[in-house]
Amino acid sequence: DTGVSQDPRHKITKRGQNVTFRCDPISEHNRLYWYRQTLGQGPEFLTYFQNEAQLEKSRLLSDRFSAERPKGSFSTLEIQRTEQGDSAMYLCASSLGTGGRRAKNIQYFGAGTRLSVL
Amino acid sequence: AQTVTQSQPEMSVQEAETVTLSCTYDTSESDYYLFWYKQPPSRQMILVIRQEAYKQQNATENRFSVNFQKAAKSFSLKISDSQLGDAAMYFCAYRSVSSGTASKLTFGTGTRLQVTL
Repeated sequence: DTGVSQDPRHKITKRGQNVTFRCDPISEHNRLYWYRQTLGQGPEFLTYFQNEAQLEKSRLLSDRFSAERPKGSFSTLEIQRTEQGDSAMYLCASSLGTGGRRAKNIQYFGAGTRLSVL
Repeated sequence: AQTVTQSQPEMSVQEAETVTLSCTYDTSESDYYLFWYKQPPSRQMILVIRQEAYKQQNATENRFSVNFQKAAKSFSLKISDSQLGDAAMYFCAYRSVSSGTASKLTFGTGTRLQVTL
C-alpha cells in the first residue's frame, strides 16, 4: 500500500493555459474522488468515479473541467483556459467501495496538487 | 443539502492537556457517517475517527474520542494528552448513506490546532 499519489505537487500556469493533473489511487481501490480546496476552506467535492464510470459531478465542475479514469486505474483532471479563480489545491482520494449502505468506504487522500494561475 | 460548521478557526492547547474541537451539522437525513480528518501542513489528510449515526456509542481511537449528540446535530472531537504531532488543521466531515449521494464528503471550514510546550 503506497498510498494515493498525485502529480505534480505544484503547478504554476498563466491564465488561459490548459493544465492536467494526475492521480494514482491505492491499487485495489475502485472508487476515486476529486476535491478542490481553497485557502481557509475545507475541501469541496468535484467528481467521483466508480471503476471507469464517472457517477457524480458537482456543479462546481464547469465545462472547462474534465476528468477521466480510463481502465479504472489512474485518473486525470484537466482544466482548460485556466482562470485566476481556479487557483486552489486539488485533492484526490480513493476508497474501496464494497457495496451496500453500511460499507466503510473510507476515503484516503493524496497530498494534493497546488495550482497557481497568474 | 447538508452543511457542516466549525465555529473555531483556531485553537491552542498545551502539551499533555486536553482540547475539544467543535462541529455542528445540518441534515434532514437520519442515517449518515461523520468523520474527523487531520491535515498537517503540506501533508495529506488522514482519517482520525469515524462515527456511524445509527450507533449511539461514541467512537474512540486511542487519545481521540468524539461526543456525538444526534438530536443536537453536534459532533465534537476530544484530544487527550495532546502531543506536538497533533498540531494540524482538523476538518469535520459528513457523508450521506442514501443511494446516489453515498460517496462524497461534505467538509467544514476547519480548525487549526496549535500545540504549545
